[in-house]
Amino acid sequence: GENVEQHPSTLSVQEGDSAVIKCTYSDSASNYFPWYKQELGKRPQLIIDIRSNVGEKKDQRIAVTLNKTAKHFSLHITETQPEDSAVYFCAASIYNNNDMRFGAGTRLTVKP
Amino acid sequence: EAQVTQNPRYLITVTGKKLTVTCSQNMNHEYMSWYRQDPGLGLRQIYYSMNVEVTDKGDVPEGYKVSRKEKRNFPLILESPSPNQTSLYFCASSLYRGHNSPLHFGNGTRLTVT
Repeated sequence: GENVEQHPSTLSVQEGDSAVIKCTYSDSASNYFPWYKQELGKRPQLIIDIRSNVGEKKDQRIAVTLNKTAKHFSLHITETQPEDSAVYFCAASIYNNNDMRFGAGTRLTVKP
Repeated sequence: EAQVTQNPRYLITVTGKKLTVTCSQNMNHEYMSWYRQDPGLGLRQIYYSMNVEVTDKGDVPEGYKVSRKEKRNFPLILESPSPNQTSLYFCASSLYRGHNSPLHFGNGTRLTVT
């Protein structure tokens, strides 16, 4: 089955700097890659997703890139703000939500 | 407001005492699932349901049961809880069962089994 690895497990940046979180997946058939943000004590919420027919997707300060050949995808947050502090999860799936596998999470801290 | 509602938010129980965590969604979603979240392990799927009366095991189903008698409800049942089931549980739903679509999570239930 699919296996998703996420790095780093913790990341601390200064406000205004960029943050990059990387994930690798094992099954080359995976074609959907969402990212979820979980603030302290709250539920995970989708922030951006990408499908395998697209190499990059942006939404304001957030971007996701996908390298299908290398089987890795990354989340990029520019101009970080304290409210970006949270745990971020990547995930990958092949057909549907049944086979979606999550990474272990990255705790991002943005220092003011 | 469109949402997934879980209850209770916090639950402390003793080993062997049956419990149910309720989950309800008001978005007419076909797909519902349960996850547990443990430090360093991310979110692991317990059970999922593609539609009413259709349920199946996820990656960590041992010790859990579910039912889907109505489209909106998907309760998680622990017949005989054990301390290794102490965890943070999330119910989630999505619109489509046939292909990938964003998951909508409930607010979570923090369960402690002593």
